[in-house]
Amino acid sequence: GESVGLHLPTLSVQEGDNSIINCAYSNSASDYFIWYKQESGKGPQFIIDIRSNMDKRQGQRVTVLLNKTVKHLSLQIAATQPGDSAVYFCAENGPDDKIIFGKGTRLHILP
Amino acid sequence: DSGVTQTPKHLITATGQRVTLRCSPRSGDLSVYWYQQSLDQGLQFLIQYYNGEERAKGNILERFSAQQFPDLHSELNLSSLELGDSALYFCASSATGGPYEQYFGPGTRLTVT
Repeated sequence: GESVGLHLPTLSVQEGDNSIINCAYSNSASDYFIWYKQESGKGPQFIIDIRSNMDKRQGQRVTVLLNKTVKHLSLQIAATQPGDSAVYFCAENGPDDKIIFGKGTRLHILP
Repeated sequence: DSGVTQTPKHLITATGQRVTLRCSPRSGDLSVYWYQQSLDQGLQFLIQYYNGEERAKGNILERFSAQQFPDLHSELNLSSLELGDSALYFCASSATGGPYEQYFGPGTRLTVT
């Protein structure tokens, strides 16, 4: 597959450890946030979302935290596995329903 | 497999030309979104259609246009192509007009030479 974002920040995590990927969003009026996972050669895949009236949401092995005070979003992946290796994007639903994606973080799993 | 299909998978064309990219959303989804992904710009939202009507507009150039047909498939037309238009173009669909839980297609790789 083709690499996306060759110059993205990279987070290297030991297999089995927890991963935390951070994202700063741009607009305080954004009301909905999503995390996507993109594997090499594939389209982005929805992981988890959160609305602005919440500060935490849990899924299967993933948790999203939202801090509106500092416009910060994080994705926590528990017990990181080799299959979690991908580029992770946060996205916000901004004014006029324009969707704004972050630059992405590459997650690299160490054996 | 997300259920969203895009054709063609690859497209190579020359500057100044016009191309059409096609997207079929997941069965039952009413919204279609188009995105451009390049190495230097990341993922850029272009435009959204909901049940045939334009709903939201992002960073779409005037040389680009889109439409959604009664059967809900969508086409993205790119004209007067420039080298900088070379990118991956993704289509995504969602059940409603909101941006919630979008399902992305495999993308069309456009190369402008």
